[in-house]
Amino acid sequence: GNSVTQMEGPVTLSEEAFLTINCTYTATGYPSLFWYVQYPGEGLQLLLKATKADDKGSNKGFEATYRKETTSFHLEKGSVQVSDSAVYFCALNTGNMLTFGGGTRLMVKP
Amino acid sequence: SAVISQKPSRDICQRGTSLTIQCQVDSQVTMMFWYRQQPGQSLTLIATANQGSEATYESGFVIDKFPISRPNLTFSTLTVSNMSPEDSSIYLCSVEQGALKETQYFGPGTRLLVL
Repeated sequence: GNSVTQMEGPVTLSEEAFLTINCTYTATGYPSLFWYVQYPGEGLQLLLKATKADDKGSNKGFEATYRKETTSFHLEKGSVQVSDSAVYFCALNTGNMLTFGGGTRLMVKP
Repeated sequence: SAVISQKPSRDICQRGTSLTIQCQVDSQVTMMFWYRQQPGQSLTLIATANQGSEATYESGFVIDKFPISRPNLTFSTLTVSNMSPEDSSIYLCSVEQGALKETQYFGPGTRLLVL
């Protein structure tokens, strides 16, 4: 079956630090890959996506590249802000069925 | 992307009672999804709702506990029946969009606390 594994949190960084949240997946077929973000007290927002190998999704300074050879979709940001503090979920979709990772809490300190 | 609203945004309920959560979308969609997010956990799919047919439930979820209605292409309800404290969670609806229907967009969620 499909599965998504992401690094456990919390990840605590100082403002302007570089962020990497690792995500690897197991899937049959050719999944689309997603990062969702959940700010405190809110629902899930789509942060970025990639639908085929070597695609790079980007939004709000965040980037992730679909790496088929390593089955990975790591999330990166060059300089985090306090406002980026949230829970980040990696997910895949092979056709109507979203499979989520466990979520990674990011805490950014001023 | 679709704009999705949910009502209520939060509620505190007594055990043994039921709560119906509404999900409204600003465009017609074929499939709507209901998820549960238990405290500090990831999302778990409860069921998929197509208009005009019975919802399809995932393993561990049954219609008697989580009845779903889908009366038209822009609206769905999820009822949490005979609630217990273990039902305290965030309940989210979502819809799929994109050329291949590969992307799901989520509502803001309903935060339920059962005492």
